Amino acid sequence: AQKVTQAQTEISVVEKEDVTLDCVYETRDTTYYLFWYKQPPSGELVFLIRRNSFDEQNEISGRYSWNFQKSTSSFNFTITASQVVDSAVYFCALSEARSNYQLIWGAGTKLIIKP
Amino acid sequence: EAGVVQSPRYKIIEKKQPVAFWCNPISGHNTLYWYRQNLGQGPELLIRYENEEAVDDSQLPKDRFSAERLKGVDSTLKIQPAELGDSAVYLCASSQETYNEQFFGPGTRLTVL
Repeated sequence: AQKVTQAQTEISVVEKEDVTLDCVYETRDTTYYLFWYKQPPSGELVFLIRRNSFDEQNEISGRYSWNFQKSTSSFNFTITASQVVDSAVYFCALSEARSNYQLIWGAGTKLIIKP
Repeated sequence: EAGVVQSPRYKIIEKKQPVAFWCNPISGHNTLYWYRQNLGQGPELLIRYENEEAVDDSQLPKDRFSAERLKGVDSTLKIQPAELGDSAVYLCASSQETYNEQFFGPGTRLTVL
């Protein structure tokens, strides 16, 4: 069973549009962590954010924002005023105690920002 | 602060040859990971070290893959002999503790001909 679901395989938008990447997770642990990583065409995985299960506050970092909702088991990522440099594959991941905090990765969403 | 360093960045070998990858984690990070990533997929964990100890190697194909982390710092991942299906990007990552965020190196792109 898929524990981290990124239903959007590929999203294409025009520069300056806002875009939201969805992430739905499944866990029975009460303590767990959620992550987002960016993988640009260069290939290096870049850490964006970590959230623990006890902190449901939304996070904003520049044009990036994250919406964590335990009620719907979702941890969505929004890019405001997208730029061409945002083009990348974005991975959502979960770590939980029962899996020894091994990262459980979603399939990734390929984001294409057109100029 | 320097990030995770990996070498080589690219390696092309013929099948049945041996190959080794090297990783230097971020200073002070106790946990080190080796992943394999195939095109269009997420990373797959091969092995995780806590200091010198391999605490999770359940997904390491032990018949041909081996790894070591001497002195709890640098690590080496070896494949011997390589097979065509081993072509992938091999990523090294490190974190302060197991539950912390992982920081990844640039990876080694292996092509087995």
